[in-house]
Amino acid sequence: EAGVTQFPSHSVIEKGQTVTLRCDPISGHDNLYWYRRVMGKEIKFLLHFVKESKQDESGMPNNRFLAERTGGTYSTLKVQPAELEDSGVYFCASSQEFGRSYGYTFGSGTRLTVV
Amino acid sequence: QKEVEQNSGPLSVPEGAIASLNCTYSDRGSQSFFWYRQYSGKSPELIMSIYSNGDKEDGRFTAQLNKASQYVSLLIRDSQPSDSATYLCAADGGSNYKLTFGKGTLLTVNP
Repeated sequence: EAGVTQFPSHSVIEKGQTVTLRCDPISGHDNLYWYRRVMGKEIKFLLHFVKESKQDESGMPNNRFLAERTGGTYSTLKVQPAELEDSGVYFCASSQEFGRSYGYTFGSGTRLTVV
Repeated sequence: QKEVEQNSGPLSVPEGAIASLNCTYSDRGSQSFFWYRQYSGKSPELIMSIYSNGDKEDGRFTAQLNKASQYVSLLIRDSQPSDSATYLCAADGGSNYKLTFGKGTLLTVNP
């Protein structure tokens, strides 16, 4: 079974530019999550999709961030325009269903550096 | 603000010793708790989940939960150099989908 795939693995962009991160969850996983870790801080929740619907986007920092999951398969997270404080590692995770015995399967992350 | 606090570390133990990692959480609504292991530059990997008070053992790993004290721990017996990683504690806040993570504890097992 293929794992959660994220790309690019690294991205360096200038302040003000646009970046789009992509996540391919494990096939059949309806739940898809985005998390972010900025330097020196803990991993923080951004949002949760159930299939193509946003279940909870309470962790999205501001309206410069836009997440989509067309068709309930892969997801994209766009940052436009990027700011210096957006630098960090963006993790995607997926799960078939969430229960007490489950956790997420994380992707390897996209390291975003805004200069 | 829901928080998960971990002993900051770094923690260094000799090979074969028991490594003890601790975590406290602020949200009494949390029902499920997870320990993830993260090697440098890699994705967090789930190693243990626990939701009932008491101990849960899986191989060399034992997770302990005390809801009254809002305390979760992870014991690694017979520590190996390959256990050297950052260990992340996470709580679900009762949401069943949104995890709150601690900052992690860096463990080094010295041969």
